[in-house]
Amino acid sequence: GAVVSQHPSRVICKSGTSVKIECRSLDFQATTMFWYRQFPKQSLMLMATSNEGSKATYEQGVEKDKFLINHASLTLSTLTVTSAHPEDSSFYICSALAENTGELFFGEGSRLTVL
Amino acid sequence: AQTVTQSQPEMSVQEAETVTLSCTYDTSENNYYLFWYKQPPSRQMILVIRQEAYKQQNATENRFSVNFQKAAKSFSLKISDSQLGDTAMYFCAFMSTSYDKVIFGPGTSLSVIP
Repeated sequence: GAVVSQHPSRVICKSGTSVKIECRSLDFQATTMFWYRQFPKQSLMLMATSNEGSKATYEQGVEKDKFLINHASLTLSTLTVTSAHPEDSSFYICSALAENTGELFFGEGSRLTVL
Repeated sequence: AQTVTQSQPEMSVQEAETVTLSCTYDTSENNYYLFWYKQPPSRQMILVIRQEAYKQQNATENRFSVNFQKAAKSFSLKISDSQLGDTAMYFCAFMSTSYDKVIFGPGTSLSVIP
């Protein structure tokens, strides 16, 4: 089946630094990718919808200058957490849409810890 | 705006028995996709089953089947012959055919008891 790779799986950084998380669709082209944040024992909260070649659409309450999303190719979307703070510590998950089938494939997730 | 509700935060079932997880949603759209995803402790999201709203026939995947009631906006998941490996969080999700967002319900924690 289709595979989405998310990297890194775990990252620890100091407060004030920036962290980039990559989401790659390995065997299909994804015009649309989604980025989620998941707090412990909670559901996935949609942060933004990433479209190749255009600006991401952010959900209400998500700071676009804080969470920079770039979808420069049909197989890669990146989420950069800028000037990270401890409250940004969370589990971040990406998913990629295979539009020809309407199937949604998820990355393995990235655990971010900001010290 | 679309919403997805799962009214059962936790459920348990005896191994080999059958369990049904509830999901309701709200949308003004006529065509859309509905999903059930499983999230084990590894936190990898695993697709359980998918339903396209324009298809009247309920989707089935081996031991997993859905009861899709479009008029009632209900999309329940039935797990037959429950296995220990079915223990996980289960999320119901909605996606419009414009693919502009995917909305997840709050989840149901399912425990299969030996």
